[in-house]
Amino acid sequence: EAEVAQSPRYKITEKSQAVAFWCDPISGHATLYWYRQILGQGPELLVQFQDESVVDDSQLPKDRFSAERLKGVDSTLKIQPAELGDSAMYLCASSLVGQAIPYEQYFGPGTRLTVT
Amino acid sequence: GENVEQHPSTLSVQEGDSAVIKCTYSDSASNYFPWYKQELGKRPQLIIDIRSNVGEKKDQRIAVTLNKTAKHFSLHITETQPEDSAVYFCAARLSSNYQLIWGAGTKLIIKP
Repeated sequence: EAEVAQSPRYKITEKSQAVAFWCDPISGHATLYWYRQILGQGPELLVQFQDESVVDDSQLPKDRFSAERLKGVDSTLKIQPAELGDSAMYLCASSLVGQAIPYEQYFGPGTRLTVT
Repeated sequence: GENVEQHPSTLSVQEGDSAVIKCTYSDSASNYFPWYKQELGKRPQLIIDIRSNVGEKKDQRIAVTLNKTAKHFSLHITETQPEDSAVYFCAARLSSNYQLIWGAGTKLIIKP
C-alpha cells in the first residue's frame, strides 16, 4: 500500500540553527499539507499546496518558516532560525485534488523536532 | 473562523464497555467528517469517516453518527479493548478549501 514518506524521522538541533524536513506524498495526490503538532494537541495546519501552488499559508510563521513544492510532487519545509518553541512533531499529509473522492488525508510518519 | 468542539477531553472506560466521543462543528457547509486515532508518537490514522449525505456508518466495533441539523457527530466504540487506548480526533472538512478543522482530541483510557 502506498504511503506518505517523510525524513528525517527525528531531528535534534540547537536554537538559531536551520533545519529542513522532506515529504514525498502518495503518487497522484495533488494536495499536500504540512501540519505542526505539539504534544497533547491536535494538528495545526501550516501550509497547503495544490500541485506546486500554495493554497493557504496563513498559519505559517513566514519570518522563519518556508515551504516549497517546486515540481508539484515532493515538498520541503524549512525553519531558519529554529527557536525552542518550534519543538513539535511535523506531519505531512496528502490527498487527491480537493473535490475528488475519497477525501481522506493520508499522513506520513512525521518528523519529531527537538530544539535545544 | 470555523471550529470543531470535541468532548470529553479524557474518557476512561472499563474494558468491554462502550465509549462515546462527541463533536460539534460550526460550518454548515462541511461535507465530510473523519475520525483519526493517534497512538503516542505515531501518525494519526483514519479509523472511520462519514460524508454529509449519510446519517450513520458502522465498521465492526466502531460507528459514527451524523446529525446535520444539529451540526454534531459522534464516535461510538463498543466492546472496548486495551488496544483502543489512544487519542481520538474528530475533524470537519470545509467545503470552501477542503481543509480539515480538527477537534482538540479525546484521550481514551481502557481500564483492565
